[in-house]
Amino acid sequence: GENVEQHPSTLSVQEGDSAVIKCTYSDSASNYFPWYKQELGKRPQLIIDIRSNVGEKKDQRIAVTLNKTAKHFSLHITETQPEDSAVYFCAASRNSNSGYALNFGKGTSLLVTP
Amino acid sequence: SQTIHQWPATLVQPVGSPLSLECTVEGTSNPNLYWYRQAAGRGLQLLFYSVGIGQISSEVPQNLSASRPQDRQFILSSKKLLLSDSGFYLCAWKRDYNEQFFGPGTRLTVL
Repeated sequence: GENVEQHPSTLSVQEGDSAVIKCTYSDSASNYFPWYKQELGKRPQLIIDIRSNVGEKKDQRIAVTLNKTAKHFSLHITETQPEDSAVYFCAASRNSNSGYALNFGKGTSLLVTP
Repeated sequence: SQTIHQWPATLVQPVGSPLSLECTVEGTSNPNLYWYRQAAGRGLQLLFYSVGIGQISSEVPQNLSASRPQDRQFILSSKKLLLSDSGFYLCAWKRDYNEQFFGPGTRLTVL
């Protein structure tokens, strides 16, 4: 089955700096890669996703890049703000309407200090 | 638009007691449904998923079970809770092309 590794487990940056979180996956058939943000005590929220037919996707201060050959994808947050502090999860799965579930990384705890 | 509900929001139960958590989805039909557990400060562990009424797949053997009696209802149960069952239980539903959304969660404490 799919195995998703996520690094780092914790990340501390100064407000205004950039943050990068990296994930690798093992199943070459995976073609959907979402990122979730989970604030303390709340549900994970989908913030951005990318499919294997594109290499990069951007939404304001957030971008995701995908390297299918190397089987890794990354989340980039620019101009970080204190409200970006949360746990971020990457995931990977096959694009299917069957029961294929998302395989999650173990999460990265991001702290943005003012 | 689609919404997903879970109840109760919080629950405190003694060891050995039964459990029933409910999840319902509105605004969609025939969704794929999932139960996850998140221990304190940990990642998301997939427990069960269902692609249709009466169809349950288990990812992790344990003292929990799941049922899907209706298209948009997913229930997580246990006959006897263990201390290790404490955690944040999240239901999720998936629409086309794998966009998956989580419910608000149930925080379970087993004493």
